[in-house]
Amino acid sequence: AQTVTQSQPEMSVQEAETVTLSCTYDTSESDYYLFWYKQPPSRQMILVIRQEAYKQQNATENRFSVNFQKAAKSFSLKISDSQLGDAAMYFCAYRYSVISNFGNEKLTFGTGTRLTIIP
Amino acid sequence: DGGITQSPKYLFRKEGQNVTLSCEQNLNHDAMYWYRQDPGQGLRLIYYSQIVNDFQKGDIAEGYSVSREKKESFPLTVTSAQKNPTAFYLCASKKRGGGHEQFFGPGTRLTVL
Repeated sequence: AQTVTQSQPEMSVQEAETVTLSCTYDTSESDYYLFWYKQPPSRQMILVIRQEAYKQQNATENRFSVNFQKAAKSFSLKISDSQLGDAAMYFCAYRYSVISNFGNEKLTFGTGTRLTIIP
Repeated sequence: DGGITQSPKYLFRKEGQNVTLSCEQNLNHDAMYWYRQDPGQGLRLIYYSQIVNDFQKGDIAEGYSVSREKKESFPLTVTSAQKNPTAFYLCASKKRGGGHEQFFGPGTRLTVL
């Protein structure tokens, strides 16, 4: 079974600084997707960024980027120029890629990292 | 505007009662999911459905039931057999296909009195 581990329950960063959130996962598959979701106080889950395992290039979305290390099964999220609106719970998630059998599209989540932005 | 709606936002239930949480989407997505969120435990999958009239148990299905009679709707019933139902419940939907993301609804907070 796939597992996702986020070892940092809480992190804080000064506004405008950079912070990195860690995520490791365990899988025997070679083709899969990895995601970072943000959950602000409203509790709405919002997709931040995603990475396809077959792509060597790290995904980036504006101030958000990932460091994907497939051999190490590591998928960290870097937030640059942190803003007050970045304060939220951040969840790392895994999804198997092959869709040939129903049931392989479910997400497995980590336990989350609560990010606080210090003004 | 397309999206996912969940109702009600807050729900209170007495012990021993069944209660149904609503999830509706107008995104024309085939797949729908129910997750439960508890403090410190992230999201755990309860049930999911890839097509109408078919659904599968997730990791914590005991004490829950679902139906998928329409593509747009995937209601979740929390039965009296669920021993600890107080939690935040999130519904999600997704297009079929590997590259698509799951979109989430705003959630329902269920409290057992």
